[in-house]
Amino acid sequence: SQELEQSPQSLIVQEGKNLTINCTSSKTLYGLYWYKQKYGEGLIFLMMLQKGGEEKSHEKITAKLDEKKQQSSLHITASQPSHAGIYLCGADQNTGNQFYFGTGTSLTVIP
Amino acid sequence: ETGVTQSPTHLIKTRGQQVTLRCSSQSGHNTVSWYQQALGQGPQFIFQYYREEENGRGNFPPRFSGLQFPNYSSELNVNALELDDSALYLCASSRPREAETQYFGPGTRLLVL
Repeated sequence: SQELEQSPQSLIVQEGKNLTINCTSSKTLYGLYWYKQKYGEGLIFLMMLQKGGEEKSHEKITAKLDEKKQQSSLHITASQPSHAGIYLCGADQNTGNQFYFGTGTSLTVIP
Repeated sequence: ETGVTQSPTHLIKTRGQQVTLRCSSQSGHNTVSWYQQALGQGPQFIFQYYREEENGRGNFPPRFSGLQFPNYSSELNVNALELDDSALYLCASSRPREAETQYFGPGTRLLVL
C-alpha cells in the first residue's frame, strides 16, 4: 500500500514568515493532492499535481512535485493567521479506488 | 462549504454497541468514500462505494460495512465497537476516478466509552 510521510509534524511560525511542508511517498505517485483541514472539520482541496516537475500556485500557496514523482513540497509565502490548520497530502493508487493520506502537518501562525 | 452533509455530528457509544453514520453526496457525484481519522493522524481510507457496490477497501475488519443508496447517499456501519474506534469519520463524494473532485463532509465525531 502507499505510504506518505509528511514533515515537519508541526510548525509554529510568526505571521509574515515563509514556510515549507514536505510529503514523501514510498512509491511513485500517479497523483498528489494537497488538502487543508481546520481542526476537527472536513478537508478542503487545495491543489493536485500529476506530472513530474509540475508546480501550481493558488494565492500565496505553491506546491511542487519532483521529477521522480516521489516527493512534493507545499510552500506558503508571507503566512497569515488564516493559513493555520492541518495540511495533508494525499495520493490515489493507479486503480483509482483507494486513496491515502499523509500523516499531516499542523501549522500555527502567530499574529 | 461543500454539498456533502453527515449525520450525526457527534455520537457517544459504549464498547460492543453498533453505530450507523450517514452521508449525503454532492449533487452530480456518484462515488462515496469513507475515512477514519484518529486524533493527531491523517485520515485512513475505509472503503469506497460506486453504483451501490463496494469498489475498494482499506485495511479495516469486516465489522466495518457500508451501503450506498440509489440517490448516492451512503451509510457506514460499525459493529462490536471498540475503544480504538473513537475517531472523526469523514465521508467524501466524487465523480469516478476523479479524486480531485472529492468534496468532504464536516465529519461525525464518535466517542466509544
